Amino acid sequence: DAGITQSPRYKITETGRQVTLMCHQTWSHSYMFWYRQDLGHGLRLIYYSAAADITDKGEVPDGYVVSRSKTENFPLTLESATRSQTSVYFCASREQGRTEAFFGQGTRLTVV
Amino acid sequence: AQKITQTQPGMFVQEKEAVTLDCTYDTSDQSYGLFWYKQPSSGEMIFLIYQGSYDEQNATEGRYSLNFQKARKSANLVISASQLGDSAMYFCAHRGAGSYQLTFGKGTKLSVIP
Repeated sequence: DAGITQSPRYKITETGRQVTLMCHQTWSHSYMFWYRQDLGHGLRLIYYSAAADITDKGEVPDGYVVSRSKTENFPLTLESATRSQTSVYFCASREQGRTEAFFGQGTRLTVV
Repeated sequence: AQKITQTQPGMFVQEKEAVTLDCTYDTSDQSYGLFWYKQPSSGEMIFLIYQGSYDEQNATEGRYSLNFQKARKSANLVISASQLGDSAMYFCAHRGAGSYQLTFGKGTKLSVIP
């Protein structure tokens, strides 16, 4: 199906482990984004990408790594997970020249 | 830096009534866009409506309209004829022209009462 999909939907990991959240979009949108949603903070931008091989930091990038070797994929890696990274993570994409961004269904990550 | 303020943590509305969700913003951008997203209990973020800062008319999309008052820096969402399916979190967001980042408010939880 066309759209933007995230995997896994739910993940529990231990402190210190590396974990990768996947994001795939079928629209060939140029822009892709990772946000985290925490109670009391709304959504905050972690990283974004304007095109394949072009990424940049958002508001809260510490502890995260991204890559974008293909236009359709934008994985987010927590190199050494901490409890403060327990959150709901949203991937989004936007077509160049368009205003609205479309979001995936989110990944609920719990770090224990 | 941009800041979005949604002062209503929660609201109740009777089914079939209209409701206004408040949003004020602080921005240094001359040109910008304002967005509203809906997040139902299932968790996904659904785009509802967009208003450009230079748009002369208030944006409308079906039962949603955006009451844009530029001088007051407010961008309130009006939902007409509320339905039970409108029960959700609603987020206001800002993006400056030439910026990639959406800055979100903390959201308003709307509950529609039968």
